[in-house]
Amino acid sequence: EVQLVESGGGLVKPGSSLKLSCVASGFTFSSYGMHWIRQAPKKGLEWIALIYYDSSNKYYADSVKGRFTISRDNSKNTLYLEMNSLRSEDTAMYYCAKKEWGYFDYWGQGVMVTVSS
Amino acid sequence: DIQMTQSPASLSASLGETISIECLASEGISSYLAWYQQKPGKSPQLLIYGANSLQAGVPSRFSGSGSGTQYSLKISSMQPEDEGDYFCQQSYKFPNTFGAGTKLELK
Repeated sequence: EVQLVESGGGLVKPGSSLKLSCVASGFTFSSYGMHWIRQAPKKGLEWIALIYYDSSNKYYADSVKGRFTISRDNSKNTLYLEMNSLRSEDTAMYYCAKKEWGYFDYWGQGVMVTVSS
Repeated sequence: DIQMTQSPASLSASLGETISIECLASEGISSYLAWYQQKPGKSPQLLIYGANSLQAGVPSRFSGSGSGTQYSLKISSMQPEDEGDYFCQQSYKFPNTFGAGTKLELK
């Protein structure tokens, strides 16, 4: 059974940093590109970052480019999202997700990040 | 980026009623479209991919159709467990983008 389990969220002040983790199981993690997607409270879904299976390429949404860094450790089946210079508009539920044939077929349960003074 | 316009924003349906949700892309996406269901407090779940292919385990009352820029999700007989939010997503161009969502409630 595929499982994605996020952790590392919390309440932080504007300008702070936070690092999210996503532990994967039930599939060959090292064979798949992985994504972070977020959802602000009562809002829609926003894709924010992609990392290739071998970390050779990384892509970001304009809204987080230069502030967030996606990374992975295939030996630990773990995906990361390092978030710096956090803003109030980064307040959201953050999901890691696996993609198959262009579609997000498995999502984690999500981890909440709240940026507030 | 491709804009995905979803309608209606909210919908109330009776038990057994057939409902449709629409998704309009700002340019042609060649059926690279998915639908997701999200129940309160849960993560989204893939229902339909490739515009009309049913994800494994999804009840057959769900179906998808469309082409070009216009797509729709149909639930042929509304059930209580179908309450939730529904989102469309295009995977034709990077970055993948989502519709704003449709909130479906049981009347």
